[in-house]
Parts: sequence; C-alpha cells; structure tokens
Amino acid sequence: DVKVTQSSRYLVKRTGEKVFLECVQDMDHENMFWYRQDPGLGLRLIYFSYDVKMKEKGDIPEGYSVSREKKERFSLILESASTNQTSMYLCASSLMRQGTSPLHFGNGTRLTVT
Amino acid sequence: RKEVEQDPGPFNVPEGATVAFNCTYSNSASQSFFWYRQDCRKEPKLLMSVYSSGNEDGRFTAQLNRASQYISLLIRDSKLSDSATYLCVVIYSSASKIIFGSGTRLSIRP
Repeated sequence: DVKVTQSSRYLVKRTGEKVFLECVQDMDHENMFWYRQDPGLGLRLIYFSYDVKMKEKGDIPEGYSVSREKKERFSLILESASTNQTSMYLCASSLMRQGTSPLHFGNGTRLTVT
Repeated sequence: RKEVEQDPGPFNVPEGATVAFNCTYSNSASQSFFWYRQDCRKEPKLLMSVYSSGNEDGRFTAQLNRASQYISLLIRDSKLSDSATYLCVVIYSSASKIIFGSGTRLSIRP
C-alpha cells in the first residue's frame, strides 16, 4: 500500500510566521503535489514536482514555495503566513509523469493562521 | 464552462437503494479517469479507476463514455457507510494536467 505521510495533522501559526509543511512518500513515486482544499472551492493545486529539485507552479502558487531535495520528500513553505492561508493542505504522490496513474493523498494538515 | 463538472447534490437516498452520478468533461484529449471518495474532514481516497470497458468492484461500477465525454459511478445496495463526497478526476496526459471535479455529496438514510 502507498503511504503518504504529512508531518502534522493540525497546526496553529501566527500571521507573519514562516511555516513548513512536510510530506514523505514511501513508494518511490516520481510525482508529488501540494493542494489546498477550502469549502466551496474544491481542491486547488499549489505546486507540483516531477523529479528531485524540479518544481512547477500550480494554479495558486502565490505566497508559497516548495522544496524537493530528495525523491521521497516534498516540502511546502509559507514564507510569511497570512490569515487567508488558513486551510486544509493535502500532499499527494503518483507514479508516472504521463498521467495514467492515480494520486495517493496524505491525511492532510489543517492549518490555522491567527 | 468548467473542464470537469459534477452535480454537487446532495443526493439523499434510503439504505439499500441504487444511486448513480455522472461527471462530464470537456477536453477530448483526456487520458485517465478515476473516482475518489472523501469523508468529512479527511483526505480523498482512491475508489476505483474508470475504463471504457467498465470497471466493477463489489457494489460499485464505474463506466466511461468517451463519445459523450462523461464518466459514471453506480452504487448498488447502498450502505450507511457509503455516505461521503465522491470526486471524479480526469487526467490529460498531453499536458500532464489533473482536474478534480467539485464533488457530489451522497447521504444514505436508514
């Protein structure tokens, strides 16, 4: 079974703090993704990565950056957290670049920025 | 028009009923199709892949109609535990693009 592990289930941070969300997958997947999910807005892609040290912007990258130094780990960074970044953050991974493999999600990090 | 559209529901059906919902997509270059299930405040979980030939897993049947550009999910003999939001996912391999539907809420009542 694919296992995608997100480091925190719940996080509370203050406005202006730098926030790191960590994600690790154990199935040697090439692709990794960060989404946020908000009521009424569905899943929105923040960033994704097809390989180590490679990253591409998704639909809503503003205010975020990512790091992929190792194949199994994909980090999402909020450089200066703001209240509008309060959300559920979901990491996912998939096997192949050419889009025939499903995504496998971690159990999510619910971030509250006060 | 959205690239992938789902009826948001909610579908409220009695236990034991058969329920079906569709998901339409607009880009004929789509490559792969999946159904996910998401429980409240949890992550989406892969339910099943969708093929032109149909795919059945117990009480669940998924179908792809490329000519009419939709996928469907049929749940037979519904259980209380089937209550969840069901998301369709369309992947366009030419652009390596993944599109999630907004989800259909299903509520099974005793």
